[in-house]
Amino acid sequence: GAVVSQHPSWVICKSGTSVKIECRSLDFQATTMFWYRQFPKQSLMLMATSNEGSKATYEQGVEKDKFLINHASLTLSTLTVTSAHPEDSSFYICSAEDRGHNGELFFGEGSRLTVL
Amino acid sequence: AQSVTQPDIHITVSEGASLELRCNYSYGATPYLFWYVQSPGQGLQLLLKYFSGDTLVQGIKGFEAEFKRSQSSFNLRKPSVHWSDAAEYFCAVGAIGGYQKVTFGIGTKLQVIP
Repeated sequence: GAVVSQHPSWVICKSGTSVKIECRSLDFQATTMFWYRQFPKQSLMLMATSNEGSKATYEQGVEKDKFLINHASLTLSTLTVTSAHPEDSSFYICSAEDRGHNGELFFGEGSRLTVL
Repeated sequence: AQSVTQPDIHITVSEGASLELRCNYSYGATPYLFWYVQSPGQGLQLLLKYFSGDTLVQGIKGFEAEFKRSQSSFNLRKPSVHWSDAAEYFCAVGAIGGYQKVTFGIGTKLQVIP
């Protein structure tokens, strides 16, 4: 199957700093990618839909100024957590839609963010 | 709005025993249903999906699931569990359009004992 890679796998940062997480589709082009957040013992919550070349579509309750999404190329979407606070600590997962596989979603490994 | 309930947060089975993971969904129309597996430190991998047709769906790694509209269920089964099946399993329901706007259940963590 297609491969999606996230980087970094884990990151620790100080409160108030910004952190960028990358999501890459390695062997296919993805015009649409999705960002999720997973709290401990909870489900994946869709945060936003990232569309190549246009603004991301955020789910209700997700602060777009807090979670900046950029999808500048067909293989890369980035999520920047701005002015991070301890409550932003979480597991962030991306997925990419592979239209060559009937639109199937392929997921990255996830990125564990810890804000001190 | 669509929703998914996985009533079992944690299940322990012996290697070689059969497995059934429960999933109930709520959706106003014909649902698109999925089962994903997540191993530690890994992303989610699609095990199987139901869009239409035969209500018994075969997936990878020997898993199958049965769609029962009358019970709003999509339970995952495997006749004989292997130690490598230990992971977290997520049931998900999708809106019209298939894969997009997928809502996930809380997940069931499977432990396999020798």
